Amino acid sequence: AQKVTQAQTEISVVEKEDVTLDCVYETRDTTYYLFWYKQPPSGELVFLIRRNSFDEQNEISGRYSWNFQKSTSSFNFTITASQVVDSAVYFCALRFSRLTFGEGTQLTVNP
Amino acid sequence: SAVISQKPSRDICQRGTSLTIQCQVDSQVTMMFWYRQQPGQSLTLIATANQGSEATYESGFVIDKFPISRPNLTFSTLTVSNMSPEDSSIYLCSVEEKGASDTQYFGPGTRLTVL
Repeated sequence: AQKVTQAQTEISVVEKEDVTLDCVYETRDTTYYLFWYKQPPSGELVFLIRRNSFDEQNEISGRYSWNFQKSTSSFNFTITASQVVDSAVYFCALRFSRLTFGEGTQLTVNP
Repeated sequence: SAVISQKPSRDICQRGTSLTIQCQVDSQVTMMFWYRQQPGQSLTLIATANQGSEATYESGFVIDKFPISRPNLTFSTLTVSNMSPEDSSIYLCSVEEKGASDTQYFGPGTRLTVL
């Protein structure tokens, strides 16, 4: 069985703070994919990143960075110097046969 | 990535009626999926829309309630039948492109309210 846990239901920060969103997953499969999606208030789901289980390199894209640690089954997402436009629900997801989503973390960035 | 559109973007419907949601993609895709997102919750897969054959439904979802069509590689519809207030949700279609990378891209969603 696959499971994704995002323990932080809501996070509130002030603009320019750094924030890390946690994601812990469970799977018995050795080959799988991990994803992060962003859902702004408008409702669409925006793809941010995909990682396969054999690629543990961390990735940085602008203010976003991701830390994948297989040893702890975690795939955490950090936003540096947060902005108001980062306010959204962020979903972590795991894919083997189907895409399984975590419960999401509501991030609010206050001016 | 593929450009995905959904119609309608939102609707308010009366109990007992049905609504058909359309999902259009600007390129041929292998896989299309339909998800439901109830208020304040995560996404749940309803079914995989298979081109030329019946959709594959997840546990808890049945064809009579959520009939799905997929007449070609760029289009699918989801009907929410005999609606009740519990069906109020965002319905999203997603696609995996041919040859791709197990990445699903999502449409803008249809926000449904049932009174």
